[in-house]
Amino acid sequence: EIVMTQSPATLSVSPGERATLSCRASQSVSSNLAWYQQKPGQAPRLLIYGASTRATGIPARFSGSGSGTEFTLTISSLQSEDFAVYYCQQYNNWPAYTFGQGTKLEIK
Amino acid sequence: QVTLRESGPALVKPTQTLTLTCTFSGFSLSTSGMCVSWIRQPPGKALEWLALIDWDDDKYYSTSLKTRLTISKDTSKNQVVLTMTNMDPVDTATYYCARMMVAAGSYNWFDPWGQGTLVTVSS
Repeated sequence: EIVMTQSPATLSVSPGERATLSCRASQSVSSNLAWYQQKPGQAPRLLIYGASTRATGIPARFSGSGSGTEFTLTISSLQSEDFAVYYCQQYNNWPAYTFGQGTKLEIK
Repeated sequence: QVTLRESGPALVKPTQTLTLTCTFSGFSLSTSGMCVSWIRQPPGKALEWLALIDWDDDKYYSTSLKTRLTISKDTSKNQVVLTMTNMDPVDTATYYCARMMVAAGSYNWFDPWGQGTLVTVSS
């Protein structure tokens, strides 16, 4: 099983600032990585797939980068609606899909 | 517009079998490349993939849970059913169904997701 490790567990950032979230895979997943946003009481929403491609309707302030074992989700200028929990998911080793444990992005 | 909605019991007793139904619209599971998956999330914890069924009726299961899971589809009703046997309190979670579209032969990401249904396992 590929273990996905996200850091930090909690990130405190002020609105308007930049947020950088990390995801590390225990072995290479190439670019087969997705990012999701989950707000309290809601289902996860796809943000990024293929490590760097924004899903339909996702604002340009969200960007993904990385390949192999190291990945980053960057939110360039935080809006109030961006404070949520973010998960990464690998699909290189399908169907043994695995998710990270999440990073909670909170208002500083 | 693609939507999915989970339904099933909110409370099950230990050792019982859980049956959940995902009813979807906006796509057909008879269309090549379409899949539906189940994913769960214990309260305050991370997401765990459970099972997937594709347009060709191929089925895939989590290695750790495969002996307890069965996934099936009713294309005419636009439904996917997941059964999980021998329920335990550790199975308490919100259960989500989600669509997946195969691209270039790759079974990949989940989009969109249903709202989820909370299942509590308790006597």
